Amino acid sequence: GENVEQHPSTLSVQEGDSAVIKCTYSDSASNYFPWYKQELGKGPQLIIDIRSNVGEKKDQRIAVTLNKTAKHFSLHITETQPEDSAVYFCAASITGTASKLTFGTGTRLQVTL
Amino acid sequence: GAVVSQHPSRVICKSGTSVKIECRSLDFQATTMFWYRQFPKQSLMLMATSNEGSKATYEQGVEKDKFLINHASLTLSTLTVTSAHPEDSSFYICSATGTSAKSSYEQYFGPGTRLTVT
Repeated sequence: GENVEQHPSTLSVQEGDSAVIKCTYSDSASNYFPWYKQELGKGPQLIIDIRSNVGEKKDQRIAVTLNKTAKHFSLHITETQPEDSAVYFCAASITGTASKLTFGTGTRLQVTL
Repeated sequence: GAVVSQHPSRVICKSGTSVKIECRSLDFQATTMFWYRQFPKQSLMLMATSNEGSKATYEQGVEKDKFLINHASLTLSTLTVTSAHPEDSSFYICSATGTSAKSSYEQYFGPGTRLTVT
């Protein structure tokens, strides 16, 4: 089955700096890669996703890049703000197969003033 | 759009009793619903996948007789934890996929239910 690794487990940045979280996956058939933000005591919230036919996608301060050959994808947050502090999860799935998501282990991002 | 609710948000029950958690898609028809369990400071672990009108498919290591899942309609799935024990205490989260092209693979998550078994 699919295995998703995520690094780092914790990340502390100063407000205004950039944050990068990286994930690798094992199943070359995976073709959908969402990123979720989870605040304490809440369910995950989709912040951005990318499909395997695209190498990069951007939405305001958030961007995701995908390298299919190397089987890794990354989340980039620019101009970080205190409200970006949360746990971020990457995930991978194969569309058309009940879309079962395999999650990474999570990254706790702390944005300090 | 694509809102998923869960009820209750928190529940405390005594060891040996059963508790039911509801997951509803409020503004779309959920063809598939997923149930996850999340322990403190850990990732989400998929417990089971359910399709409306069909029996749920459980992940390896998840006891189907302990975690009963019913997906009776396109907007409601329930998870019943039977004979709960303290080790079942966890954060239970549901998600759903819909019938439109994108929503067929994008999962919409509920807010979660915190279960504490005393």
